[in-house]
Amino acid sequence: AQTVTQSQPEMSVQEAETVTLSCTYDTSENNYYLFWYKQPPSRQMILVIRQEAYKQQNATENRFSVNFQKAAKSFSLKISDSQLGDTAMYFCALWENEKLTFGTGTRLTIIP
Amino acid sequence: NAGVTQTPKFQVLKTGQSMTLQCAQDMNHNSMYWYRQDPGMGLRLIYYSASEGTTDKGEVPNGYNVSRLNKREFSLRLESAAPSQTSVYFCASSEWGLIQPQHFGDGTRLSIL
Repeated sequence: AQTVTQSQPEMSVQEAETVTLSCTYDTSENNYYLFWYKQPPSRQMILVIRQEAYKQQNATENRFSVNFQKAAKSFSLKISDSQLGDTAMYFCALWENEKLTFGTGTRLTIIP
Repeated sequence: NAGVTQTPKFQVLKTGQSMTLQCAQDMNHNSMYWYRQDPGMGLRLIYYSASEGTTDKGEVPNGYNVSRLNKREFSLRLESAAPSQTSVYFCASSEWGLIQPQHFGDGTRLSIL
């Protein structure tokens, strides 16, 4: 069974600082995808970044980057130069065998 | 603006009532999804539709039915609402088949009394 664990229920960081959100997962498959989604107070889910398991290179999208450690089954999200608009719930998700499993989320607050 | 549109945004039902949540996307996506989100949890897949005319069960399908009316629309029906179905429901769509949902609606907050 696939599981996704986010061990940090809440985090806060000063504006312009860098923050890293943790995610670990468990899967028996070799072919899978990992994602980070952002859910701001507006409630809409927004895809932040995607990583294919077969790719060794860590995905990057502007200020967002991941540290994908396949052997350790770890997939952390780094947000650089954090902005007030980054305040949101962040969900890690694992896709395999046509099924997407979400973690329980980390509530991130950016402090002015 | 292009995207996924859900109606209604809020609804209160009594136990045993029925209701259909509507979802439409205008991005010509093949795949559409229905999720529920409960406090302290991530999203859980209820049903999905890989293409027009096909639907499949997700992780928590009991108590729900779906209809993929056409390529644009994917509705979720509660035949006999129960308090355990109180949740926020999200519709989503994807252009990459059964990989990940890319575009989400704004959600429907549903309360069952």
